[in-house]
Amino acid sequence: VQLVQSGAEVKKPGEPLRISCQASGYSFTNYWIAWVRQMPGKGLEWMGVIYPGDSDTRYIPPFQGQVTISVDKSINTAYVQWSSLKASDTAMYYCVRRYNSAIYGNYFDYWGQGTLVTVSS
Amino acid sequence: QSVLTQPPSVSGAPGQRVTISCTGSSSNIGAGYDVHWYQQLPGTAPRLLIYGNSNRPSGVPDRFSGSKSGTSASLSITGLQAEDEGDYYCQSFDNTLSDSGLLFGGGTKLTVL
Repeated sequence: VQLVQSGAEVKKPGEPLRISCQASGYSFTNYWIAWVRQMPGKGLEWMGVIYPGDSDTRYIPPFQGQVTISVDKSINTAYVQWSSLKASDTAMYYCVRRYNSAIYGNYFDYWGQGTLVTVSS
Repeated sequence: QSVLTQPPSVSGAPGQRVTISCTGSSSNIGAGYDVHWYQQLPGTAPRLLIYGNSNRPSGVPDRFSGSKSGTSASLSITGLQAEDEGDYYCQSFDNTLSDSGLLFGGGTKLTVL
């Protein structure tokens, strides 16, 4: 299993951005993919999750309306996008496979390498 | 402020044993939901360290162990090594949170003296 994310981005406030996460080594449509934010020097916050099989998407309230999560099943790739970046969006973003265990609940078993997004004027 | 509370930092000398706690409540750990742990070494992505309270994925040394009791869980590291230095996060489910309910603890920085 591998999750390979797109490279670092440097953007100005107000600019749009889409970062990607390409999955391989498993059946992409059968597992939820989540996005996790880590602001500089801070902890992990998960933003939302998408099920590639039917594009069912759930957002954590602080991120609802702030980002859009999507997938392209034809190329096993998940995305998160911003229509208008803010300086406070500066962070490392990880895509993560969410494993749904009937016994142990939900946890994140494979992580991408991260995409650093820097928003500065 | 996270619903799962971890100590901001712990430390230990090489070879020693350290324990990191993760304290929740009756709506998450105390409700019977499992706890999972992640390790983030400096400059790297987090990785799954413990799942289902006490299970290690393949490749994780048996120096790492997890347990759960009541509204808390713990991660123990025995035979501490310099390469263990990094941040550790617990994760569980909370039935009062909207959509999915998964949440992380605030993280604990482990320093190997």
